[in-house]
Amino acid sequence: AQSVAQPEDQVNVAEGNPLTVKCTYSVSGNPYLFWYVQYPNRGLQFLLKYITGDNLVKGSYGFEAEFNKSQTSFHLKKPSALVSDSALYFCGVTGANNLFFGTGTRLTVIP
Amino acid sequence: SAVISQKPSRDICQRGTSLTIQCQVDSQVTMMFWYRQQPGQSLTLIATANQGSEATYESGFVIDKFPISRPNLTFSTLTVSNMSPEDSSIYLCSVHREDNEAFFGQGTRLTVV
Repeated sequence: AQSVAQPEDQVNVAEGNPLTVKCTYSVSGNPYLFWYVQYPNRGLQFLLKYITGDNLVKGSYGFEAEFNKSQTSFHLKKPSALVSDSALYFCGVTGANNLFFGTGTRLTVIP
Repeated sequence: SAVISQKPSRDICQRGTSLTIQCQVDSQVTMMFWYRQQPGQSLTLIATANQGSEATYESGFVIDKFPISRPNLTFSTLTVSNMSPEDSSIYLCSVHREDNEAFFGQGTRLTVV
């Protein structure tokens, strides 16, 4: 069965510092992995995805994620955090015709 | 990409009543998905709605509580029936591309009092 885990409920980072939001996955077969962001009072927005190819995937708003097969991880990263990055982040993995989401990580960027 | 319009955006309902949430997509899609996001929690898939057939429900969700309609390839409704405060959640409509990248509506924030 497909599943993802986001071990941190909350991540705090100072503005301008690099940020990492962690995600590990468990799948049978090759994984399709995603990151979504949810800003307050708004729907989910797609950030980036890994299907195949380069392990480092670049997405929207300067975010990137690194697929690590040996560690079954797909951590979300950004070199320099902005206050506007404060939001709820969800990692997702595909199942049969649907997506399984992690429990979410609330990122707070401190000015 | 797909543009998904969902309404109402929010509602406050009395317990015991029902609410129907509408989801309109700007292109034809085979499958539409309904998710629930309870306060402080992740998204949980309620059901998958295929046009022309009955919806497929995930474990813990039943048709009597969450009836779904899918009259055509661009529209679906989810009804939350006989509501209780435990049904207070955000309900999200979604469509997926072939590679399972998902597009979401803005969500319906439901509060049951």
